[in-house]
Amino acid sequence: GAVVSQHPSWVICKSGTSVKIECRSLDFQATTMFWYRQFPKQSLMLMATSNEGSKATYEQGVEKDKFLINHASLTLSTLTVTSAHPEDSSFYICSAKPMTGGDNSPLHFGNGTRLTVT
Amino acid sequence: QKEVEQNSGPLSVPEGAIASLNCTYSDRGSQSFFWYRQYSGKSPELIMSIYSNGDKEDGRFTAQLNKASQYVSLLIRDSQPSDSATYLCAVNAGSGNTPLVFGKGTRLSVIA
Repeated sequence: GAVVSQHPSWVICKSGTSVKIECRSLDFQATTMFWYRQFPKQSLMLMATSNEGSKATYEQGVEKDKFLINHASLTLSTLTVTSAHPEDSSFYICSAKPMTGGDNSPLHFGNGTRLTVT
Repeated sequence: QKEVEQNSGPLSVPEGAIASLNCTYSDRGSQSFFWYRQYSGKSPELIMSIYSNGDKEDGRFTAQLNKASQYVSLLIRDSQPSDSATYLCAVNAGSGNTPLVFGKGTRLSVIA
C-alpha cells in the first residue's frame, strides 16, 4: 500500500519551455503533498508544500512564479517548471502522507522525475 | 530551526558485518522517526519507522530510539553489497501536515 506515482520519470526540454510533472497517490488520499529537488550528490531540498484546494507554501528561495504547483484533488498534485533553464536541471521528487494515518505517518515518495534542460 | 544531524560518511563495512548509522535531532518534542534508503539516482524508500524508546527490529534492520538523548540509530546486520546506499534519517517534529525534517544522509558502502 501507500504508492505514489510520479510522471514522467525523465524529461528533456529546451530552454525557455515549460514542463509539467504529475504526482498521484494511487491507493490513499492526501491533503498535502511535498515537492523536493535534489542535485547530484547533494541532499534532498524541500521546495514547497502542496495543499489540496489552497495555495502551496514555498520554501525560502524557491520562486513561486517559476515553480507552479496545483493540488487539484486529494490524489493529484502537479509541479510546472515554467521557462526552464539549464540550472533547473535536477531530480524532482514528490511525496505524500496518507490522510488517515495521523500525524506520525511516514512520507511515501514517488520515483522522481529527472529533468534535463538543454 | 529544527535540525537532524547525520555523519555524511562514507561508512565502509565488510560484507557480513554490522553497519551502524547514527542520527541526532534538535527538537525534543519530536514524536516519530524514520529511516529511508536512497540508491544513487533513485528516490528515497522507507525502510523503518520508530515511535517509542527502545529497539524495533525488522529482518536485518534494527532501529533504536533514545528520546532522552535525542538519538536515533539504524543497525544493519549481515550487511550485503546491495545495502550500499545513502541512508536518510527523518524526524516528524510537528503536527498535521508539516514536512519531515531530513538529515543530509550517511553514505554506506558494503565491501564484498
